[in-house]
Amino acid sequence: GAVVSQHPSWVICKSGTSVKIECRSLDFQATTMFWYRQFPKQSLMLMATSNEGSKATYEQGVEKDKFLINHASLTLSTLTVTSAHPEDSSFYICSAILAGTDTQYFGPGTRLTVL
Amino acid sequence: QQQVKQSPQSLIVQKGGISIINCAYENTAFDYFPWYQQFPGKGPALLIAIRPDVSEKKEGRFTISFNKSAKQFSLHIMDSQPGDSATYFCAARLNQGGKLIFGQGTELSVKP
Repeated sequence: GAVVSQHPSWVICKSGTSVKIECRSLDFQATTMFWYRQFPKQSLMLMATSNEGSKATYEQGVEKDKFLINHASLTLSTLTVTSAHPEDSSFYICSAILAGTDTQYFGPGTRLTVL
Repeated sequence: QQQVKQSPQSLIVQKGGISIINCAYENTAFDYFPWYQQFPGKGPALLIAIRPDVSEKKEGRFTISFNKSAKQFSLHIMDSQPGDSATYFCAARLNQGGKLIFGQGTELSVKP
């Protein structure tokens, strides 16, 4: 089956630093990937849609200069949280669509804690 | 119009019982309705999905019932097991390759 991985699975950083999270589709090519944020006991909130070779499309209210998304290849998308602050602490999850299907596969998530 | 409303927020079911989670939507342009299961600290995993031209889909103990005229769909988990204890999300999609709109989630607890 289609597998999506994320790295790292958890990260702790100091306030003001930047953190990069990788999302990889391991056994399929994904022209479209999505980045979500999830706070405890809440639903998934879509942050942006990442298309290979083009600029990401951000949801309303998501700062594109703070959450930098790069989708340079058909198997890799990265999310960089710049100048992280404690309020950015959350569970970040990516997903990828298997081309030609309806199915959106999710990664295992990355727990970010900003001190 | 883009919202998907999910209920109940939490559900406690005895082992062997039937768990029922409901979702409602407004936008008739939605064309795909998946259900995801999420365990604590993990990413969501696709459980079962349906298109609006089908009224019911069954996979093992999991069944989606879809009522197009009422703009509602539900997940039924038959013979619920403690291992089914997780958070369940319904979702809806506008077009192939498009983003998913998620419901608020239902925390299911199956008591032994």
